[in-house]
Amino acid sequence: EAQVTQNPRYLITVTGKKLTVTCSQNMNHEYMSWYRQDPGLGLRQIYYSMNVEVTDKGDVPEGYKVSRKEKRNFPLILESPSPNQTSLYFCASSLYPWSSYNSPLHFGNGTRLTVT
Amino acid sequence: GENVEQHPSTLSVQEGDSAVIKCTYSDSASNYFPWYKQELGKRPQLIIDIRSNVGEKKDQRIAVTLNKTAKHFSLHITETQPEDSAVYFCALNTGNQFYFGTGTSLTVIP
Repeated sequence: EAQVTQNPRYLITVTGKKLTVTCSQNMNHEYMSWYRQDPGLGLRQIYYSMNVEVTDKGDVPEGYKVSRKEKRNFPLILESPSPNQTSLYFCASSLYPWSSYNSPLHFGNGTRLTVT
Repeated sequence: GENVEQHPSTLSVQEGDSAVIKCTYSDSASNYFPWYKQELGKRPQLIIDIRSNVGEKKDQRIAVTLNKTAKHFSLHITETQPEDSAVYFCALNTGNQFYFGTGTSLTVIP
């Protein structure tokens, strides 16, 4: 089944303790990205990647890191989490969003992160 | 980044009535406009999309219209049903990035 898989679904941690949220897609998509969803703010892009070893900042990158060493994986790293990073996080992928074809985002099931 | 304004933020309709959600944007380079439906506790899922060279697209009870000159696009749901109750997000793509509206919580009253 074609899908984007995120883990874990729920995560509770303490301020300053490094964590990684994994994301994997099996659709051979070129483009992958991370979003955070907060009430009243919609989905805001954290980082995106257009290809292996190519990553760029989105609108809210502060406090986050990513890497794209393989096409299928795009982990999100919080080196020193803070309470303002408590949010619902979504990983998503798309085939060729820069092309002339309709290339929607396919979302993972989300990771609800709480930082105390 | 691009600013996508979505209205209304909440919408209640009687079952069988129509619902319309509107989004406006500013970047004329935007070329792709998807709409997502998010049910409670679930991920956003694509329901319909349109490219900038198309003015209208319809899929059963759902339609999207795009006015490039005025820089707005709208989602139309006809003959609403209780299972249409969800949060709807408009989005657009400028090539490298997707930008989302702040969402509309639609409630269909049986």
